[in-house]
Amino acid sequence: QKEVEQNSGPLSVPEGAIASLNCTYSDRGSQSFFWYRQYSGKSPELIMFIYSNGDKEDGRFTAQLNKASQYVSLLIRDSQPSDSATYLCAVNTILYGNKLVFGAGTILRVKS
Amino acid sequence: EPEVTQTPSHQVTQMGQEVILRCVPISNHLYFYWYRQILGQKVEFLVSFYNNEISEKSEIFDDQFSVERPDGSNFTLKIRSTKLEDSAMYFCASSVGQGGNEQFFGPGTRLTVL
Repeated sequence: QKEVEQNSGPLSVPEGAIASLNCTYSDRGSQSFFWYRQYSGKSPELIMFIYSNGDKEDGRFTAQLNKASQYVSLLIRDSQPSDSATYLCAVNTILYGNKLVFGAGTILRVKS
Repeated sequence: EPEVTQTPSHQVTQMGQEVILRCVPISNHLYFYWYRQILGQKVEFLVSFYNNEISEKSEIFDDQFSVERPDGSNFTLKIRSTKLEDSAMYFCASSVGQGGNEQFFGPGTRLTVL
């Protein structure tokens, strides 16, 4: 059973559009949720985290969490070609201790 | 802005050899981690370290692996006898606190086992 699932994509959006990335997780005890961006050949870069149900906004990014549906999403407004990367969803639960469990990532392509 | 650093950026070794990957976590962080990513696959947790001891490890982290904080700044991952399947990117990460605290990743070491 997969613990953190993401659509692998690629998700293609035109420049200036909203990109919507989704993630589901299997463990209801999950408490902390993170979005990382990973450019090809580079390390994961933390862009957002969310702990509570609802929305959290930071600049062009909005993270949304629905614990009842075990669903977390990332919206990127005014998408830019430089946003083209793989977006990784990562989850931490008490069950897993300190470790992050990562999804396989969604490839985002922003076309200019 | 403080960041996690790792050396070397690329390590090539022969199967059966020992390798040591080095990391300098962010200075005020107390929790340290190693993850790996085989090409085209997910980022996988290896081990977490706090207060000079392992706090958690995965099934991947078998007896061939060890971690150490030899001084106040470095955090190392040793693979005693490398196998072909150890070829991967190895990422060090650190966080201020445990659990849900944000983990910041270093640039990684690409390990190639021939």
